[in-house]
Amino acid sequence: QKEVEQNSGPLSVPEGAIASLNCTYSDRGSQSFFWYRQYSGKSPELIMSIYSNGDKEDGRFTAQLNKASQYVSLLIRDSQPSDSATYLCAVSRVSASKLTFGTGTRLQVTL
Amino acid sequence: DAMVIQNPRYQVTQFGKPVTLSCSQTLNHNVMYWYQQKSSQAPKLLFHYYDKDFNNEADTPDNFQSRRPNTSFCFLDIRSPGLGDAAMYLCATSTSGSRYEQYFGPGTRLTVT
Repeated sequence: QKEVEQNSGPLSVPEGAIASLNCTYSDRGSQSFFWYRQYSGKSPELIMSIYSNGDKEDGRFTAQLNKASQYVSLLIRDSQPSDSATYLCAVSRVSASKLTFGTGTRLQVTL
Repeated sequence: DAMVIQNPRYQVTQFGKPVTLSCSQTLNHNVMYWYQQKSSQAPKLLFHYYDKDFNNEADTPDNFQSRRPNTSFCFLDIRSPGLGDAAMYLCATSTSGSRYEQYFGPGTRLTVT
């Protein structure tokens, strides 16, 4: 079993729709959760971090965390073609500086 | 703007010819990381420095070495590159003050001929 699992996609959504990206993790000691966006040929860019159960909103992005279910998700509202990228989920333990990454979900926003 | 800088952005080396990649940061973060990322794969942590303390991942080949001469700079040395070492090499930084959120540099694309 992979430590951090994501559907590789591609996830295709029409422009203006909500994109929902999901991630599950196996380490119950995980306490910090991150979403990175990575455009093809570029480096990962941190877009959301979440540490407590529930929702965290930042602009068009909402991160959702459910530690009991070991599940974290990212919602992108009003999806734009510029959101087309690979989204990496990453988790870490308390007081740990190391991240465990998923392999990413490729999102395609179509016109 | 505070940032993470990597040089060069593109590096072509010959099989077996040593190569050094560099990373510098103006974020004043105490933790620096080196990752290797191949196409369609997750970034793979090679090693990281927590302040001056070097932490090597168990599966990082001996062919890869690192140096951190000061807080701002970190180097990745590949002693004898093989064709399988062709990848994007990513430097990242973090600090306990921001819960170890990692910020990546633009990466160095390494080609081995």
